Amino acid sequence: DGGITQSPKYLFRKEGQNVTLSCEQNLNHDAMYWYRQDPGQGLRLIYYSQIVNDFQKGDIAEGYSVSREKKESFPLTVTSAQKNPTAFYLCASSRDTQGYGYTFGSGTRLTVV
Amino acid sequence: SQELEQSPQSLIVQEGKNLTINCTSSKTLYGLYWYKQKYGEGLIFLMMLQKGGEEKSHEKITAKLDEKKQQSSLHITASQPSHAGIYLCGADIGGTSYGKLTFGQGTILTVHP
Repeated sequence: DGGITQSPKYLFRKEGQNVTLSCEQNLNHDAMYWYRQDPGQGLRLIYYSQIVNDFQKGDIAEGYSVSREKKESFPLTVTSAQKNPTAFYLCASSRDTQGYGYTFGSGTRLTVV
Repeated sequence: SQELEQSPQSLIVQEGKNLTINCTSSKTLYGLYWYKQKYGEGLIFLMMLQKGGEEKSHEKITAKLDEKKQQSSLHITASQPSHAGIYLCGADIGGTSYGKLTFGQGTILTVHP
């Protein structure tokens, strides 16, 4: 079955560490997105990519980096520059750049220890 | 302030009661999506509305986009404990977001048996 796989489900980061969250899709979707979810704030867009080897900053890109070397994969790195990284991270993909067929992964919960 | 305002922020109902969740924007909404989320999990797609006045139903859940395309409502008839969760609306605000969805802050629904 097609879908989006995020891993790991839980991740713990020490102060000053970079960590990478994985997002893989086998839906043959062109566009992929990373959102951050905090209690009471809904989802906020971190980065998005409409095509391989191209990506754009979202509303809260500071302290994060991404790559899109393959259509299927859109990993997110949370760098030490992100001062408040504890959150629930959701990856999504859509069939085209108009947002049709938007599908979400099951999320990664990142905690700073 | 949020570009998409959901109300209420939380809702507690007795099983069997009807309820409505609203999603309001000051701008025209293009491609309004409703999702349901269980705590700590990904978002499950419920419905997508595009045309003003459009109404869609799935089982006991009905969603409508008003004629001016600035507000959507989600109505659950005869609620059940399985309806409990977080309901989020997401939308392409302005029509030029290239698939980037803006989300409301979510409505937490609790259904008591």
